[in-house]
Amino acid sequence: KQEVTQIPAALSVPEGENLVLNCSFTDSAIYNLQWFRQDPGKGLTSLLLIQSSQREQTSGRLNASLDKSSGRSTLYIAASQPGDSATYLCAVNNAGNMLTFGGGTRLMVKP
Amino acid sequence: NAGVTQTPKFRVLKTGQSMTLLCAQDMNHEYMYWYRQDPGMGLRLIHYSVGEGTTAKGEVPDGYNVSRLKKQNFLLGLESAAPSQTSVYFCASRNRQGSYNEQFFGPGTRLTVL
Repeated sequence: KQEVTQIPAALSVPEGENLVLNCSFTDSAIYNLQWFRQDPGKGLTSLLLIQSSQREQTSGRLNASLDKSSGRSTLYIAASQPGDSATYLCAVNNAGNMLTFGGGTRLMVKP
Repeated sequence: NAGVTQTPKFRVLKTGQSMTLLCAQDMNHEYMYWYRQDPGMGLRLIHYSVGEGTTAKGEVPDGYNVSRLKKQNFLLGLESAAPSQTSVYFCASRNRQGSYNEQFFGPGTRLTVL
């Protein structure tokens, strides 16, 4: 059974810092990995999707990497802003139909 | 284009009551999903559907039933609500075709069972 872990569970940084969120998974036979953002009381917004054959994806200040063999992905946020404050979720698709989610990292960026 | 919508947004039930949550998508997606989100546990898949008239169990299906009578709608039913079903419920959909299997999520339904 696939298990997804996100570390740290919570993170507080001053504005302007570069930061890294970590995601690890136990079964490396995945189709893709998706990073989501969730604001309090809201739904999930897809940030980046990395196919199993890819190493990284970039969107603006966000960069996600994937090392399938070691079961790891990182989400790098450059020059963090208070508007980046949210919970970030990592999800692995390894059965074609179902996503397995990590518990999330709650990020607070202080002005 | 509204994407994925869910009704209701909030609901309070008493133990033993029944209710149906509605998910609708206007993107002509084949696949639809129901998840629940509990504190510290991420999202867990309840049921899913790969097309009109089909449903399948996910990770935590007990106590729930689903129906996909129309391609754009996916209903989640609770026949006899229990306090353990207090949670936030999210619906999602994705297109079957294409190499990118991105899921799109609705805004959620917050359910409290007393």
